Amino acid sequence: AQRVTQPEKLLSVFKGAPVELKCNYSYSGSPELFWYVQYSRQRLQLLLRHISRESIKGFTADLNKGETSFHLKKPFAQEEDSAMYYCALSGHLSGTYKYIFGTGTRLKVLA
Amino acid sequence: GAGVSQTPSNKVTEKGKYVELRCDPISGHTALYWYRQSLGQGPEFLIYFQGTGAADDSGLPNDRFFAVRPEGSVSTLKIQRTERGDSAVYLCASSAGTAANYGYTFGSGTRLTVV
Repeated sequence: AQRVTQPEKLLSVFKGAPVELKCNYSYSGSPELFWYVQYSRQRLQLLLRHISRESIKGFTADLNKGETSFHLKKPFAQEEDSAMYYCALSGHLSGTYKYIFGTGTRLKVLA
Repeated sequence: GAGVSQTPSNKVTEKGKYVELRCDPISGHTALYWYRQSLGQGPEFLIYFQGTGAADDSGLPNDRFFAVRPEGSVSTLKIQRTERGDSAVYLCASSAGTAANYGYTFGSGTRLTVV
């Protein structure tokens, strides 16, 4: 079965500390992985995609097929990074490119 | 439009009533998705449109839920005989192509409360 697991509901770190938001997935095919972010009172928005290998707002994520993980990392957290983060998996599931989302991790960056 | 627009932003309805939720995607986006997000959960897939047709409605929970996109642009999610368990935020998203290449642009959602 296709599944995305985000084991932490809440992650609190101090400003300037490194951040790692965990994401593990289960998928039988070749997955596409994404991170979406939702800031307070804003809509859900794309943060980054694994296929583009980009760094957005200092965040990076590497797809590890051996460990079936796609953890989100940032070396130095900022207060404005406080938000809800969702890991999502897409692929040609049942003929459509729908997403399966994890339950999300709330990141709190403390001053 | 500049973004994905959903109306209403909030809807309170009585159990058993019928509701319609509207989504206006980004102009030119052929793919349109509906998701439902319950408290403490990630968004869950409901239905996907490619153009006017529902390419995948496997996420609709039962036959009380139905969605249309008659002209390949605006979509309406319809819920009959609402139940308290239908209370959630209903999200619409559109994409220029496959989610893998383009990602989605989400609307701000409709918060449905069934009392």
